[in-house]
Amino acid sequence: GENVEQHPSTLSVQEGDSAVIKCTYSDSASNYFPWYKQELGKGPQLIIDIRSNVGEKKDQRIAVTLNKTAKHFSLHITETQPEDSAVYFCAARSSGTYKYIFGTGTRLKVLA
Amino acid sequence: GAGVSQSPSNKVTEKGKDVELRCDPISGHTALYWYRQSLGQGLEFLIYFQGNSAPDKSGLPSDRFSAERTGGSVSTLTIQRTQQEDSAVYLCASSRGQGEETQYFGPGTRLLVL
Repeated sequence: GENVEQHPSTLSVQEGDSAVIKCTYSDSASNYFPWYKQELGKGPQLIIDIRSNVGEKKDQRIAVTLNKTAKHFSLHITETQPEDSAVYFCAARSSGTYKYIFGTGTRLKVLA
Repeated sequence: GAGVSQSPSNKVTEKGKDVELRCDPISGHTALYWYRQSLGQGLEFLIYFQGNSAPDKSGLPSDRFSAERTGGSVSTLTIQRTQQEDSAVYLCASSRGQGEETQYFGPGTRLLVL
């Protein structure tokens, strides 16, 4: 069945450095790729998303890149801050379906 | 406006008891999802409701799990004869439906089965 692999499972960076989280999907029909941030005790919140007709999208310090040929997409956070510390999930959804396949999450720690 | 709400926020129960978890989606959202999140794991799809269509129950792990959505709004997830392996965070999400992809998640219900 469809699968999304996410790496790394944990990531520690110094404040001000960049963080990169990578996901690989198996279903070539996937066309929508959201990223969620989950803080302790809260539900996931959408932080950025990308559709398959776009290769890159930026929103301030956050960017997502998509390589359809290789079937992988990445989240980039620049100038990290302590409040970026959270668990980040990637997901993929295929055209014509409503099911999202989620990665297993990356616990990001930004060290002050 | 109000987001997705879930209740209770925490639930501790004894093995073998039944539990009911409630989700209030964003007003006007026709699509509603339930997910299970076990410790350190990703989100496992459980069930999907879209308007008045028959729900997709393909993710429910056993016949002890069931869900309803009354009047196209509030949803209840019921777990009968709970087992310790049911301990997890149960998340609800809603979206506008009709091809609108963005999901909005509630805060979850943390279930602990002793």
